[in-house]
Amino acid sequence: KAGVTQTPRYLIKTRGQQVTLSCSPISGHRSVSWYQQTPGQGLQFLFEYFSETQRNKGNFPGRFSGRQFSNSRSEMNVSTLELGDSALYLCASRTEPGQAYNEQFFGPGTRLTVL
Amino acid sequence: AQSVTQLGSHVSVSEGALVLLRCNYSSSVPPYLFWYVQYPNQGLQLLLKYTSAATLVKGINDFEAEFKKSETSFHLTKPSAHMSDAAEYFCAVSDLANFGNEKLTFGTGTRLTIIP
Repeated sequence: KAGVTQTPRYLIKTRGQQVTLSCSPISGHRSVSWYQQTPGQGLQFLFEYFSETQRNKGNFPGRFSGRQFSNSRSEMNVSTLELGDSALYLCASRTEPGQAYNEQFFGPGTRLTVL
Repeated sequence: AQSVTQLGSHVSVSEGALVLLRCNYSSSVPPYLFWYVQYPNQGLQLLLKYTSAATLVKGINDFEAEFKKSETSFHLTKPSAHMSDAAEYFCAVSDLANFGNEKLTFGTGTRLTIIP
């Protein structure tokens, strides 16, 4: 079974631009979560999607948004990029939410650099 | 609110020596606890998880962790370190205190270096 895939793996943008990252979950997984990883803040939860609906949201500004499609693939978008948005963005999938012990499977991440 | 504290951002051990990475948690309800490993330029891989069954949990690559409620700890150990264990390790907690919000909360990570 293929793992979680994220595209692109690397991305360079300039301040003020917007960016869209993509995540394809493991086949049969219907829940997708996004995390931001930075050296200063560590791993922080962005949001979780299930059945095309945002289910949870972390403490990030509205510039960070996401969506999920009917095939469970998910995208996240960051508008008006700031230097501080430079990070590794990780996507994780699991079968379904509602069970805290469900293992989340992580993708390799997209490394975003904002210049 | 749930939280995790990892003591020691960097740990160095000699090859063949015991590995001990510390994790303490805070949770208002019985937690679910996880240890993940991250190799350079890769995502996170689950090593093991505690889900209120046995308190001693065995994971992949000979890692294990013991849940100690009285100490609110979930330390990760491995009897004999290998060079391939060099990576960053994250402890994470999830609970059902807020149904519908069972997100993972991660510690700040511990970078493990293996000395030949």
